[in-house]
This record gives sequence, structure tokens and C-alpha cells, in this order.
Amino acid sequence: AQKVTQAQTEISVVEKEDVTLDCVYETRDTTYYLFWYKQPPSGELVFLIRRNSFDEQNEISGRYSWNFQKSTSSFNFTITASQVVDSAVYFCALSEKGGNKLVFGAGTILRVKS
Amino acid sequence: SAVISQKPSRDICQRGTSLTIQCQVDSQVTMMFWYRQQPGQSLTLIATANQGSEATYESGFVIDKFPISRPNLTFSTLTVSNMSPEDSSIYLCSVFAGPQNTEAFFGQGTRLTVV
Repeated sequence: AQKVTQAQTEISVVEKEDVTLDCVYETRDTTYYLFWYKQPPSGELVFLIRRNSFDEQNEISGRYSWNFQKSTSSFNFTITASQVVDSAVYFCALSEKGGNKLVFGAGTILRVKS
Repeated sequence: SAVISQKPSRDICQRGTSLTIQCQVDSQVTMMFWYRQQPGQSLTLIATANQGSEATYESGFVIDKFPISRPNLTFSTLTVSNMSPEDSSIYLCSVFAGPQNTEAFFGQGTRLTVV
């Protein structure tokens, strides 16, 4: 069965600090997809990244970066020089094969203080 | 990509009544997914809706409480029946599109409050 664990319930940082959100997943499939979403207080889900199981290259997008390590079944998300606008709930999710349902982690609340 | 229009965006309903949520996609998709997000919680899959067949419900969710329609490849509805305050949640529909149908898209959600 597939499972996603986000052990950090809540993280508080001061603006300009770097912060890493952890995500550990479990799956028996060799083909799967990992996602990160941001959910601001308004409630909509904002897509951040999708990564397939065959691509372990790390990715950087502006202040955001992702570290995918199959050896530890982790897909961690780092925000560099955090800003108040980064305050939100962040979800990591897993989909086995293609087009299958998403299984979400519990989410991590990020609070960035000015 | 896929653009999903979900209606209503929010509603306040009396207990014992029912609410139907609509989800319209701008492209044809095989499966549509309905999720529930209770206050302060993560997203949980309610059911998967296939066109032309009955929806597949996850453990803990039943058709009598959450009937789903899927009349064509671009549209689906979720009804929350006989509502109680415990049904107060955000309900979201989702589809996969893009390369090999691996990109997940979400509607903006329906924020339901039952009083």
C-alpha cells in the first residue's frame, strides 16, 4: 500500500531563513509520481512540482528546490530565503503508475515571520 | 493541461439537507477523483468516478452518503447527502492530464459549512 509521511506538523521560521520540509513515501510500485502542493489560507491547491520515479535529478526553481532520493524514499522540499508569502500548508503526495489516485501526507504548516 | 471549474465555491447549508457539487473539465478525461479535506486535515479520497460505470468508493465512504454522477467525459457531480456538521469540509475534484496522464489538476474546491 502507498503511504506518505510528513513528520513535521508545523515549522516556524524568520524571514530569510532557509527551511526544509521532509517527505518520506512508501510504495511497492517501481513506477510512481511524487508531488508537492502549496495550500494558502484561501484553500486552493497550488501545484509546485511533479517528479517521476525514474528521474532522481534534483530540481531548482527560483527559491524552491527538491531533493529526491530513492535510496531513502524521500522527496524533500527546501525554500531558500523564506518570505512571509511562503506561509501556507504544504502537502507531499504520491501516485502509483500513471493517472491513479493521489495519496497525501498529513501536511506541514509553514509559518514565516517578518 | 486541464482547467477545472468547480461550483459552488462555498456554501452554508442546514443539517439534514443535501448539496450537489459540480465539476467541469475543459478536456475529456477517463477518471475524475473527489477528495474531502476536513478542517485542519489532509486530503482524503472519497471516490473515483469513471464515465459509464459506478463510482469506486474508498473505505469509509458510501454511495448513499456521497452519490456521484459521471454522465460524460468532462463532467461529474458529488452530492453530500443528509448533511451534519461533521460534513463541514473542503471538497475538491481532480483529474490527471498531460504527458501519460501523470499531471494532477485540482478544482478550486467547495468550502462547505453545515449548521
